Amino acid sequence: NAGVTQTPKFQVLKTGQSMTLQCAQDMNHNSMYWYRQDPGMGLRLIYYSASEGTTDKGEVPNGYNVSRLNKREFSLRLESAAPSQTSVYFCASKDYEQYFGPGTRLTVT
Amino acid sequence: QKEVEQDPGPLSVPEGAIVSLNCTYSNSAFQYFMWYRQYSRKGPELLMYTYSSGNKEDGRFTAQVDKSSKYISLFIRDSQPSDSATYLCAIRETSYDKVIFGPGTSLSVIP
Repeated sequence: NAGVTQTPKFQVLKTGQSMTLQCAQDMNHNSMYWYRQDPGMGLRLIYYSASEGTTDKGEVPNGYNVSRLNKREFSLRLESAAPSQTSVYFCASKDYEQYFGPGTRLTVT
Repeated sequence: QKEVEQDPGPLSVPEGAIVSLNCTYSNSAFQYFMWYRQYSRKGPELLMYTYSSGNKEDGRFTAQVDKSSKYISLFIRDSQPSDSATYLCAIRETSYDKVIFGPGTSLSVIP
């Protein structure tokens, strides 16, 4: 039982490049989330998916897209990375409460 | 006004001290209250969860909720160096999925 896994752990992008952050959970949870965490800002919700086939915007969705591929997987895509997207990205899944993955540290230069 | 406010610290205490971490929130609709602990370079992990006013104890940790004041606290007794982490409060409305996190308080327990 791995819980919530995220890949990659680290990534450096140049401005304008695209990439997809992958997240998978093996706890059979319906809800999945993507957050970013910046110093002094706490965790901010980017997108969430209450169930397979549905996605909704969170607090800071601009510049991101998501795909709920199936019940297990929820990916986050940056189409054209900007330095303002330098952050630590966490995926989470939830039954009664949220369980977080280990995070992806993204730097955009 | 932010929905959840939390003193970011950093807070530094000697080993064995009682630690008090606090959050305030603005919306009385919030009914579920959580505390997460986040070690450096790790994801947050759920520490305590409560949905009612009053105290909830789990070992050295006590979560306290005062809905009338919109104030939540986490007390750590006999603090240990292994308690050194960032503590995030989180709140949720009863009927919605969205969780709102405070910015976190950084705690260091000095041996």
